[in-house]
Amino acid sequence: AQSVTQLDSQVPVFEEAPVELRCNYSSSVSVYLFWYVQYPNQGLQLLLKYLSGSTLVESINGFEAEFNKSQTSFHLRKPSVHISDTAEYFCAVSDRSGYSTLTFGKGTMLLVSP
Amino acid sequence: NAGVMQNPRHLVRRRGQEARLRCSPMKGHSHVYWYRQLPEEGLKFMVYLQKENIIDESGMPKERFSAEFPKEGPSILRIQQVVRGDSAAYFCASSPDSTSGNTIYFGEGSWLTVV
Repeated sequence: AQSVTQLDSQVPVFEEAPVELRCNYSSSVSVYLFWYVQYPNQGLQLLLKYLSGSTLVESINGFEAEFNKSQTSFHLRKPSVHISDTAEYFCAVSDRSGYSTLTFGKGTMLLVSP
Repeated sequence: NAGVMQNPRHLVRRRGQEARLRCSPMKGHSHVYWYRQLPEEGLKFMVYLQKENIIDESGMPKERFSAEFPKEGPSILRIQQVVRGDSAAYFCASSPDSTSGNTIYFGEGSWLTVV
């Protein structure tokens, strides 16, 4: 079984400031790691994922996440946020040797203000 | 190139009625997942289906909830005799196969309100 912990339910930041959204996971098996973003009243969209290889993965809109196996973490970062980044961000894992079903954290609401 | 289509987007039911939520996966996808999002909670896995088969229903409540994905037509999540606690957003997702690590694509959700 796996579990995902997102320690911050809300992260308020000012526009153009850096941000880090924390994600830790617990699993008895090897996992793949994902970050999804949910804008208000919409479904989830994949932001980035780690499958193998380089532990630093990047998205097309400036977010990046680093897989740290020893700390069982997959924190999401962006050096300079925009108002349009305001959304809920979900960290998720899937069992490498199982099906593609995802286990999600509770989410972190990123609130970007001018 | 439609994505995952869910309907209705919003549904209001009185306690004791039935709710039916429909999901058409992305073109070429034959695997469907249902998740429930309760207020202040993350998404919780409910059920994973392939055409005409339930692969994993470990997250489904034992009573009142059922899901199907027939050979033809959309996947249906059915909730009988709804109660206030069933009020939530229900998200459907799809993937081309069951390979772990595949990107799972989500629909925009169906918001169920039980009054």
